[in-house]
Amino acid sequence: EVQVLESGGRLVQPGGSLRLSCSASGFTFTNYAMCWVRQAPGKGLEWISCISGSDGRTYYADSVKGRFTISRDNSKNTLDLQMNSLRAEDTAVYYCARRGGNGWGFFDYWGQGTLVTVSS
Amino acid sequence: EIVLTQSPATLSLSPGERATLSCRASQSVSSLLAWYQQKPGQAPRLLIYDASNRATGIPARFSGSGSGTDFTLTISSLEPEDFAIYYCQQRSTWPLTFGGGTKVEIK
Repeated sequence: EVQVLESGGRLVQPGGSLRLSCSASGFTFTNYAMCWVRQAPGKGLEWISCISGSDGRTYYADSVKGRFTISRDNSKNTLDLQMNSLRAEDTAVYYCARRGGNGWGFFDYWGQGTLVTVSS
Repeated sequence: EIVLTQSPATLSLSPGERATLSCRASQSVSSLLAWYQQKPGQAPRLLIYDASNRATGIPARFSGSGSGTDFTLTISSLEPEDFAIYYCQQRSTWPLTFGGGTKVEIK
């Protein structure tokens, strides 16, 4: 059974840093791109970053480029998101999601989300 | 950036009725569009991928159609568990983008 599970969300002050993690199981991790998608309270979905399965190519939304860094450890089946220079508008539930199909498809498996609150 | 515009914002229907949701892209995404369902407090669930293919385990009452810039999600007969928010998403071009969502509520 495919499972993805996020952790690391908490309250952080503006300008602070936070590292989110996602643990995956039930599939061959290196065969799939993995991504982060966020949802601000009461708002819609926003894609923020993806990383390829094996060669480490990364992609970012303009809203987080230069502040967030996505990475993965294929030996541990984990995905991370390092978030720096956090702003109030980064407050959201952060979802880890697998890109299905051939590894670059749509988001076919999602975690339950982890809440990041940026506030003083 | 490809902008996806969903309409209507809210759809008020009764169980058993047919729901028709629209997603329009600001430029062609070919058939590289998906639909997701999200219920309160839950993660989104993939319903339809590549415009018209049902994801694993999705009931046949859900169907998708369209290509290019105009797409439709149809729920043929609403069940109580179908009242939720629905999002479209394209993977044709970076950045990946989502529509703003359509809320299907009980009339």
